[in-house]
Parts: sequence; structure tokens; C-alpha cells
Amino acid sequence: AQKVTQAQTEISVVEKEDVTLDCVYETRDTTYYLFWYKQPPSGELVFLIRRNSFDEQNEISGRYSWNFQKSTSSFNFTITASQVVDSAVYFCALGMTTDSWGKLQFGAGTQVVVTP
Amino acid sequence: DSGVTQTPKHLITATGQRVTLRCSPRSGDLSVYWYQQSLDQGLQFLIQYYNGEERAKGNILERFSAQQFPDLHSELNLSSLELGDSALYFCASSAGTSDGTDTQYFGPGTRLTVL
Repeated sequence: AQKVTQAQTEISVVEKEDVTLDCVYETRDTTYYLFWYKQPPSGELVFLIRRNSFDEQNEISGRYSWNFQKSTSSFNFTITASQVVDSAVYFCALGMTTDSWGKLQFGAGTQVVVTP
Repeated sequence: DSGVTQTPKHLITATGQRVTLRCSPRSGDLSVYWYQQSLDQGLQFLIQYYNGEERAKGNILERFSAQQFPDLHSELNLSSLELGDSALYFCASSAGTSDGTDTQYFGPGTRLTVL
């Protein structure tokens, strides 16, 4: 079964602290795609990053970085030096290529609260 | 701004009624997806269209239907509405690769309230 688990329901930090969001996925596909989306209080879903299963290189993009570990089926996301504008719900999503062409399987989301 | 537009932004209606949600994809995108976000079910995939044809179906109720028109905009029709249909409905679009692996960009959503 395809499944995405975000065990952290809510994380509260003070501005400038780092925040790491956990994501664990399950899939039978050998090729798949992982995404992080952000949903600020205004409600829209904003695409942040994408990772392909065949590329385990971890990267940094500005204050965002991610750690993809295929061996543990984890795709963790870190916000460095958090800011109040980072307060949002963050969703991890799994994109599959077999049986569910184009469908994204979302996790339950992690609420991040950044206080000044 | 993702480039995906959805109208209306808010919709309030009564049980038993029928509504139509509209989505315009990003310029050049051929695939349109519909998702439902509710407190109890989270974000759920409903249906996908590619260049006018249905490509994939998820947890979409029989009371719901969708279509994609020649100009690539899409409509999601919800009928015989129930209280439980109250949710945020998202449309997303993507370029439309042959294996469905391209990135989906989401619109701002339509918040449906059924009273």
C-alpha cells in the first residue's frame, strides 16, 4: 500500500531556530517522487521541493534543505533559521508511476508555529 | 502565485443542492487534478484529466463528476450535497508527462460550506 506518515502533528519554535520535519513513506514502486508542500494560513498549497527516488543527493535551497534516505524510506525537510513567515502546515507527498498515474498521496501534515 | 486559478473562492449552499467549481490550469499545462481537503480525511485525490480525457480516478463519490474542456479548463460538479461535503477543494495542474510524474502546482482552492 502507498502511504505517507508525518508523525509530528505540531512543532513550535522560536524565530531563528532550525525546524526539521519528518516524513516516512511506503510504496511498492521502484521509481517514485517525493514532494514537500507548504500551506500557509491563507490556505493555498505551495510547492517547495521535489526529489526523484533514483537521486539520493541531498541539497540545500536557501533556508530549505532535505535529507532523502531510501534505505529508511524517509524524506525529512529542514528549515534553517526559521522566520515567522514560515508558520504554516507542511505536507509531504508521494507521487507514484504505477496504478495511480499522477496521483499524489499526502501525509497528514505538520503544523509549524514560529514565534518571535 | 502558481498560475492556477480557481473560482469561486468561497461557496455556501444548502444540502441537496448542486454546485460547479471551476479551474483554469497554468498556461501550457495539459493535466488537471482535483483534490479534496477535509479535517477528517486530509488531502485526498479525486480525479485527473489529461488533455480532455480522464486519466486517473481516486476517492471520488458517484455524486461528483468532472470534465476538462477543449480550452483545458476543468469543472468539478458536486450534486446532492451533504454536510460532509464541506471542504476545501483544490485544483492542480502539471505539464503532463507520459508517466504522470511531473510536479503539480495548486490553485488557491474553493472553500465549500454546505449548511
